[in-house]
Amino acid sequence: NAGVTQTPKFRILKIGQSMTLQCTQDMNHNYMYWYRQDPGMGLKLIYYSVGAGITDKGEVPNGYNVSRSTTEDFPLRLELAAPSQTSVYFCASSEQGRLDEQYFGPGTRLTVT
Amino acid sequence: GENVEQHPSTLSVQEGDSAVIKCTYSDSASNYFPWYKQELGKGPQLIIDIRSNVGEKKDQRIAVTLNKTAKHFSLHITETQPEDSAVYFCAATPGNDQFYFGTGTSLTVIP
Repeated sequence: NAGVTQTPKFRILKIGQSMTLQCTQDMNHNYMYWYRQDPGMGLKLIYYSVGAGITDKGEVPNGYNVSRSTTEDFPLRLELAAPSQTSVYFCASSEQGRLDEQYFGPGTRLTVT
Repeated sequence: GENVEQHPSTLSVQEGDSAVIKCTYSDSASNYFPWYKQELGKGPQLIIDIRSNVGEKKDQRIAVTLNKTAKHFSLHITETQPEDSAVYFCAATPGNDQFYFGTGTSLTVIP
């Protein structure tokens, strides 16, 4: 099992550009999550999904969009990138949701200049 | 939403000593409290968790205690080793599918 994989590892965007962060898991987990991690701020939930075709907003969804067409993939879309979106982004998955362990990917470091 | 506070933000201990990290939460509906360890350049990894129907849980050198009345829970690491150096995060989940994380504690174990 590869677990949770994320691409790319690093990316630099100019203000106003768009991009998609990819996340794939091979554990057949129903639950998937996107977090951003800013220095000294812990992890903040952006969006999550409880299964294919179902997504919901987390604490900090503004400026992002997600889709979940398959169990394995949960891409995060940034439209009109802003400097405030400079962060490290982590994708995670879990089998049973809120009472269960989350498995995290290695992260994507995004810089918007 | 839930608010999780974590202290201290940094902690240095001598190898072999104990380390304690404390978290408080605000939502009395929270019923699952995991602790994650994050090494440099990696994603967080679960080290121990506790559910609200249990007051304490141990796994070798790591233990977690939960006080539901006071809404706080703590991570205890005994006989610390240099490989315990990392950032530790607590989290809480209230009655939905969202996780709320603390701001992290950077633990340094001095050989």
